[in-house]
Amino acid sequence: ILNVEQSPQSLHVQEGDSTNFTCSFPSSNFYALHWYRWETAKSPEALFVMTLNGDEKKKGRISATLNTKEGYSYLYIKGSQPEDSATYLCAPSYSSASKIIFGSGTRLSIRP
Amino acid sequence: DGGITQSPKYLFRKEGQNVTLSCEQNLNHDAMYWYRQDPGQGLRLIYYSQIVNDFQKGDIAEGYSVSREKKESFPLTVTSAQKNPTAFYLCATHRGTDEKLFFGSGTQLSVL
Repeated sequence: ILNVEQSPQSLHVQEGDSTNFTCSFPSSNFYALHWYRWETAKSPEALFVMTLNGDEKKKGRISATLNTKEGYSYLYIKGSQPEDSATYLCAPSYSSASKIIFGSGTRLSIRP
Repeated sequence: DGGITQSPKYLFRKEGQNVTLSCEQNLNHDAMYWYRQDPGQGLRLIYYSQIVNDFQKGDIAEGYSVSREKKESFPLTVTSAQKNPTAFYLCATHRGTDEKLFFGSGTQLSVL
């Protein structure tokens, strides 16, 4: 079983503060890394798919970085808003046709 | 509209009964996945299929079966061998593992 770890498991942040969390994954034969946001009562929504070592991607106040050599990715949220409250999931893949396995997620709650 | 349709939204299973969850897509994606979510946990992979007439077991395939006779359809059967079937089931598709997953709206399965 592929070991994908996300930390912290849950996080409470004051509105307006910035935050970040981590996804760790086996680096051998890495192909791509996915980040998703999953809000309650909705389907997971893709944030980023990253493939290159050192890659940085940004979508509004959310950005992500990728280190494929050491097997980790960081997700950053700048100036947290209540609508950022969700579970953030990461999932690596190891070939163009491999399965996609998710980490257990980081549950983010924003305090107004 | 293009997308993924899961049905039913809610399903109840009696003890010893097999039930089938439907997943249909018109995105022309080759790959389809079934994931299970238990309360407070992330997504765990049950089965996936990269191409018609082929599918692979995920991490928790015991007690489940699938078929992939058509590109558009990937039904999941929860058999009586699955002793703890109560969970939220999500179907997903993508073109390749370096491209984002698209998710259906899910089926909540409960045991009577």
